[in-house]
Amino acid sequence: AQSVAQPEDQVNVAEGNPLTVKCTYSVSGNPYLFWYVQYPNRGLQFLLKYITGDNLVKGSYGFEAEFNKSQTSFHLKKPSALVSDSALYFCAVRDGGNNRLAFGKGNQVVVIP
Amino acid sequence: NAGVMQNPRHLVRRRGQEARLRCSPMKGHSHVYWYRQLPEEGLKFMVYLQKENIIDESGMPKERFSAEFPKEGPSILRIQQVVRGDSAAYFCASSPPRAGGRGTDTQYFGPGTRLTVL
Repeated sequence: AQSVAQPEDQVNVAEGNPLTVKCTYSVSGNPYLFWYVQYPNRGLQFLLKYITGDNLVKGSYGFEAEFNKSQTSFHLKKPSALVSDSALYFCAVRDGGNNRLAFGKGNQVVVIP
Repeated sequence: NAGVMQNPRHLVRRRGQEARLRCSPMKGHSHVYWYRQLPEEGLKFMVYLQKENIIDESGMPKERFSAEFPKEGPSILRIQQVVRGDSAAYFCASSPPRAGGRGTDTQYFGPGTRLTVL
């Protein structure tokens, strides 16, 4: 089965500083990778995905992610964090041909004003 | 274009009762996925359905849980004889069809139903 790991529980960053949320993957074959964000008591919102092509993927709300095959990573980044970016971030990988997603445990991001 | 709709948003049941969770996919989407989120955990896949068909139920518990997506109307996740361990947030996602019948890669999620079993 395909899987992703999010090694950190919480990421604290000062407003205006760069934000990085880490994700590593374990797959057989080509990975289909996703980032979602969850605000309190809300559903998941799609941020971006990597299927093929450029290793740097640009997504919603100024986020981007870099696919690194040699390090099996797909870290989420934002050059300048906003307080409103405080949320729970999930990395996911397509697991199997039926399009089901396998999620990481999530990272709580806290942006400090 | 309305997003994925789920109702109810909150559901309280006593042990032994039945819980019915509804999901209306985005307009034009014919693929529905159900996930469960336990406290302090990520989402776990439960079942994948297309209209009138269960495609993948590998994540569904073997007993008490069932899902359907009829030709007309919303998808239903049904939990019979609920127990305290069923307390969780249940999320539905949908995706549009792809040539060949499989869902495309991006799933769009609803707001979830938070089930509390007393």
